[in-house]
Amino acid sequence: AQSVTQPDIHITVSEGASLELRCNYSYGATPYLFWYVQSPGQGLQLLLKYFSGDTLVQGIKGFEAEFKRSQSSFNLRKPSVHWSDAAEYFCAVGPSGGYQKVTFGTGTKLQVIP
Amino acid sequence: EAGVAQSPRYKIIEKRQSVAFWCNPISGHATLYWYQQILGQGPKLLIQFQNNGVVDDSQLPKDRFSAERLKGVDSTLKIQPAKLEDSAVYLCASSPTNQPQHFGDGTRLSIL
Repeated sequence: AQSVTQPDIHITVSEGASLELRCNYSYGATPYLFWYVQSPGQGLQLLLKYFSGDTLVQGIKGFEAEFKRSQSSFNLRKPSVHWSDAAEYFCAVGPSGGYQKVTFGTGTKLQVIP
Repeated sequence: EAGVAQSPRYKIIEKRQSVAFWCNPISGHATLYWYQQILGQGPKLLIQFQNNGVVDDSQLPKDRFSAERLKGVDSTLKIQPAKLEDSAVYLCASSPTNQPQHFGDGTRLSIL
């Protein structure tokens, strides 16, 4: 069965500092991997996805993520965090075939301090 | 384009009562999803429709939950009777077939 682990429940960073959110997945074959962001009281928005090819993927809002098969990881990064990035971030994994049967992690809540 | 509309935004009921949520997807989106998001957890897929047919309802507690998508457009999700553990945010999402999902803002359900 597929699963996702986000080891950090809550992370606090200073505005302008770099950010890395960790994600480890378990899946038997080549996974489809996603990062979503959820602002308070809102639904989820897709930040980026990895299906195949280049293991460093660029997303919206200046985010990027790197797929490392050997480590079963798909960590999300941003070089300089803005106060508006404060939100909850979810990593997700799905089988080949796109966006169906996706399993979400438990999320990492990001707090940005001035 | 208008987003995914959900109503109500908040609902408070007592256990053993029934409740219904409504979702209006983005026009033209063939796929519609209902997710349950319990506090501190990621969303869990309850049911997925392709047009008005069910694609996946393997995680839907069918003894108390039901969902329909009439005419392949709007959808309703019902819980009858509600239990305390059903307290959660219920998210609706829609997409063109095999494309990224667009999420609504959800309905927050509290069971007393």
